[in-house]
Amino acid sequence: EAQVTQNPRYLITVTGKKLTVTCSQNMNHEYMSWYRQDPGLGLRQIYYSMNVEVTDKGDVPEGYKVSRKEKRNFPLILESPSPNQTSLYFCASSSPFQETQYFGPGTRLLVL
Amino acid sequence: GESVGLHLPTLSVQEGDNSIINCAYSNSASDYFIWYKQESGKGPQFIIDIRSNMDKRQGQRVTVLLNKTVKHLSLQIAATQPGDSAVYFCAVLPSNTGNQFYFGTGTSLTVIP
Repeated sequence: EAQVTQNPRYLITVTGKKLTVTCSQNMNHEYMSWYRQDPGLGLRQIYYSMNVEVTDKGDVPEGYKVSRKEKRNFPLILESPSPNQTSLYFCASSSPFQETQYFGPGTRLLVL
Repeated sequence: GESVGLHLPTLSVQEGDNSIINCAYSNSASDYFIWYKQESGKGPQFIIDIRSNMDKRQGQRVTVLLNKTVKHLSLQIAATQPGDSAVYFCAVLPSNTGNQFYFGTGTSLTVIP
């Protein structure tokens, strides 16, 4: 089954404790992206990657890091999480010839 | 950049009626548009898309209309069913901002049986 998977689905952590949210897709897509979704603000792009070793900042990259060492994986790293990063995070992927993005199920993060 | 807005945060319709959800955008260079459906606890799910060289596209029970003159698009759902209850939002891809999508905040559709 074609899908985008994210882990963990739910995470509670404390300020300053580094964490990684994994994202993996099995559709051989070149393009992958991370979004955060907050009430009243819609989805906002954090980072995106056009291909392996190619990443770019989206609208809200501050406090986040990403890496793209393999085509299928695109982890999101919070080196020192803060409460304002409490949010619902989505990973998405698409092929370059079909811009439709396929989203993962989401990761709900609470930073205390 | 791009600014995307939806006209109504919530919409309630009777089962069997047609639903219309609207979206406005600001960047005249936007040339690809997608409507997503997001059910509670799930990720956004693709419904239908349209490119700027078209003004109408139909799918199964859904139609997207694009008016580039006023920078407005709409999603029409025919014979709305309880399973259509969800948040719907549009995504806009300008041709002049790299591969960056911009999303509306969403309209929560409630179907009354």
